[in-house]
Amino acid sequence: DSGVTQTPKHLITATGQRVTLRCSPRSGDLSVYWYQQSLDQGLQFLIQYYNGEERAKGNILERFSAQQFPDLHSELNLSSLELGDSALYFCASSVREGDGPYNEQFFGPGTRLTVL
Amino acid sequence: AQRVTQPEKLLSVFKGAPVELKCNYSYSGSPELFWYVQYSRQRLQLLLRHISRESIKGFTADLNKGETSFHLKKPFAQEEDSAMYYCALATPYTGRRALTFGSGTRLQVQP
Repeated sequence: DSGVTQTPKHLITATGQRVTLRCSPRSGDLSVYWYQQSLDQGLQFLIQYYNGEERAKGNILERFSAQQFPDLHSELNLSSLELGDSALYFCASSVREGDGPYNEQFFGPGTRLTVL
Repeated sequence: AQRVTQPEKLLSVFKGAPVELKCNYSYSGSPELFWYVQYSRQRLQLLLRHISRESIKGFTADLNKGETSFHLKKPFAQEEDSAMYYCALATPYTGRRALTFGSGTRLQVQP
């Protein structure tokens, strides 16, 4: 599958813990975006990386951080987890940084995080 | 701040009936608007974008700047159109990068 991949598919953990979500972009895509989808907040943009550098930040909590590695995969780190962090976390990738309406974002299947 | 509103959580129609999924936005600049769709057990995918003025799977959407709307329409719904539909606005974080999504509308097309 040459599309965006995310691991793990499901993650169940306890409050106060730390987890890492992983995303591999489509082959050739340099830009990675992270989104959070929760029942009460809908789909919200968290952060974007382009070729290893942070490019844009959205509603990302200070307890959350991300990075993009030289091989272009990205990791989203969530720490001091709270019940409200339970959500579906999507990763998307695109070829360029995002300027222009033709730069389509391709989404991964998501990681479902459950915090107990 | 930019905002996308999809007032209907659920829209249920019969096969062959016209469909209109509503989307309103608030944004002070020139918007770039998209419709994304998520079929059951599939990932979120782009359906269409306003700049292309295209028709995909019989769906069209026209940007109305006066009414700040980008409603998605299809004259005759099919059962395979049943899915979750999200309207999205491209936000200029130093460039049109991140997407601001609406809360989504579930379309159910009944036989």
